[in-house]
Amino acid sequence: QSALTQPASVSGSPGQSITISCTGTNSDVGDYNFVSWYQQHPGKAPKLMIYEVYNRPSGVSNRFSGSKSGNTASLTISGLQAEDEADYYCCSYTGSRTQVFGGGTKLTVL
Amino acid sequence: QVQLQESGPGLVKPSETLSLTCTVSGGSISGYYWSWIRQPPGKGLEWIGYIYYSGTTNYNPSLKSRVIISIDTSKNQFSLSLTSVTAADTAMYYCARDSRGLHVDYWGQGTLVTVSS
Repeated sequence: QSALTQPASVSGSPGQSITISCTGTNSDVGDYNFVSWYQQHPGKAPKLMIYEVYNRPSGVSNRFSGSKSGNTASLTISGLQAEDEADYYCCSYTGSRTQVFGGGTKLTVL
Repeated sequence: QVQLQESGPGLVKPSETLSLTCTVSGGSISGYYWSWIRQPPGKGLEWIGYIYYSGTTNYNPSLKSRVIISIDTSKNQFSLSLTSVTAADTAMYYCARDSRGLHVDYWGQGTLVTVSS
């Protein structure tokens, strides 16, 4: 299984909105609504931000939202804040009952 | 609040077997999937595999020939064994709880394993 494709980096100013894309195939992102997104700050374990494409766990800000179209899932962060600066990873369930991560995107808040 | 804690050697010699254990506290190990995920220094996350509390497993195809994940429900622990390690297996290893085998909702803090002679 090949890693999902994410942009290496994105940036935005405080208050703006940014979107991170995650492109897979018909065997993972395109075939299942089981895409999740994780936020990872330096030296910390990842944190679940979105699951099953658009669901937010309890305690996650509603500034974070997820969507999917075809083989591409997206994470949108609105009202960007300094604390959002982190690495973000998407992950998808696959037809082989396994999971595959994206390569990760570094978000810089300018 | 579920908590997970990895334990095991931080240094493993090439060609030997990497063995880690994850202890789950604050909740039962029954009824859930339990995963191992790793992250080489400065790189992205890689899913290694999971085990259901009943013992059913599923592994990353690229690691399948070298990986075994086992579980001991009486001790609320699950374990990772990775054989024939090389420097490419040097990584932070995370244990995690996986909701329905679809996404991780609880993570351990991670343990760094270095493969070196």
